[in-house]
Amino acid sequence: DTAVSQTPKYLVTQMGNDKSIKCEQNLGHDTMYWYKQDSKKFLKIMFSYNNKELIINETVPNRFSPKSPDKAHLNLHINSLELGDSAVYFCASQGTSRDTQYFGPGTRLTVL
Amino acid sequence: AQSVTQLGSHVSVSEGALVLLRCNYSSSVPPYLFWYVQYPNQGLQLLLKYTTGATLVKGINGFEAEFKKSETSFHLTKPSAHMSDAAEYFCAVSGKGGSEKLVFGKGTKLTVNP
Repeated sequence: DTAVSQTPKYLVTQMGNDKSIKCEQNLGHDTMYWYKQDSKKFLKIMFSYNNKELIINETVPNRFSPKSPDKAHLNLHINSLELGDSAVYFCASQGTSRDTQYFGPGTRLTVL
Repeated sequence: AQSVTQLGSHVSVSEGALVLLRCNYSSSVPPYLFWYVQYPNQGLQLLLKYTTGATLVKGINGFEAEFKKSETSFHLTKPSAHMSDAAEYFCAVSGKGGSEKLVFGKGTKLTVNP
């Protein structure tokens, strides 16, 4: 069983469209994250949720809206996609505070 | 605020040679330190982590790292490189200060030559 899964794995879309990426973890963790990896492989945190509550919002444009329907799921919705949104988006989950974060396989978003 | 500096964006070694990937961190609180590996087109996998206690940490695939507080370093080593070690390696730090987010270095791409 995959611990942290993301769908879709690849997403190609036009500028201006709205898209969603889904993340699910079966580890029973309370905390989930979204990270963005740019074309230079730099990883930066975007959001963190703890038990469905937003904990971290790292100055991400408000076109990005995370949603956590339950503590096992953290979805990322992106409105009005721009070329600069092209990146790999990773979901991660964490059990107790400062414990290991487990990463999903990533979603490669390409905006044309 | 926390930060991580990885010296050398690319490191190339011969198969069987020592692997040394450098990581220096900055943290105003006792840090937790991590090394993650990313194989092409895959997610991140934890290699090893330092939390408290023993400063020499052993991880998977024969890697180890030593936490040196005086040098604010957490360098990753492996005595003998294998072709399968070719990947991108990320050092990361987390700590208190309102969040447990991971702050990553910019990564080091390891190439292993036959």
